[in-house]
Amino acid sequence: DAKTTQPPSMDCAEGRAANLPCNHSTISGNEYVYWYRQIHSQGPQYIIHGLKNNETNEMASLIITEDRKSSTLILPHATLRDTAVYYCIVRVVGTTDSWGKLQFGAGTQVVVTP
Amino acid sequence: SQTIHQWPATLVQPVGSPLSLECTVEGTSNPNLYWYRQAAGRGLQLLFYSVGIGQISSEVPQNLSASRPQDWQFILSSKKLLLSDSGFYLCAWIPNTEAFFGQGTRLTVV
Repeated sequence: DAKTTQPPSMDCAEGRAANLPCNHSTISGNEYVYWYRQIHSQGPQYIIHGLKNNETNEMASLIITEDRKSSTLILPHATLRDTAVYYCIVRVVGTTDSWGKLQFGAGTQVVVTP
Repeated sequence: SQTIHQWPATLVQPVGSPLSLECTVEGTSNPNLYWYRQAAGRGLQLLFYSVGIGQISSEVPQNLSASRPQDWQFILSSKKLLLSDSGFYLCAWIPNTEAFFGQGTRLTVV
């Protein structure tokens, strides 16, 4: 699976949008971009995923560049409860060989301040 | 609905003692199950994964082992714990597009 690069930390003011970048320059055509977050001492929580089109759900938006070498997770209105480590992951979906394996990097520690 | 359970939530064990962490999944058959470890301030490291009963793949050589005695059960074990085994252990079920994680076990080896 391709590796990802994220900034180690980011601060965001409450109520403002948080834009979290991720580089995945070696992504292959059948790999999806996934975002998870982990609040301290809890299991990671799924946020969103996409292949090449931009995606939006009730939690966030995912913007993937046309060449798919990078993406941005957008939290539209950050709250204090969004303070967490955010992981950007790329993975193949639906193959029996590496079915579902997730390779997590260090992620981005996001701190939302009042 | 499908759920994943992991226990215990916290564990303090002396060096050299055995370890057994259990993970179970309800509401699905033949789940793909995974054990991850997270050292303090670091990302998740994949330890083992299993696609079925008795089928275990190890990602890194270490002091730990895993077993899949039942379709819905995934166990992480050690015969003799080391200080370096301390960390946060997570079980995950990854059916297809999403991953579902247990609540984790905080293991402290003293």
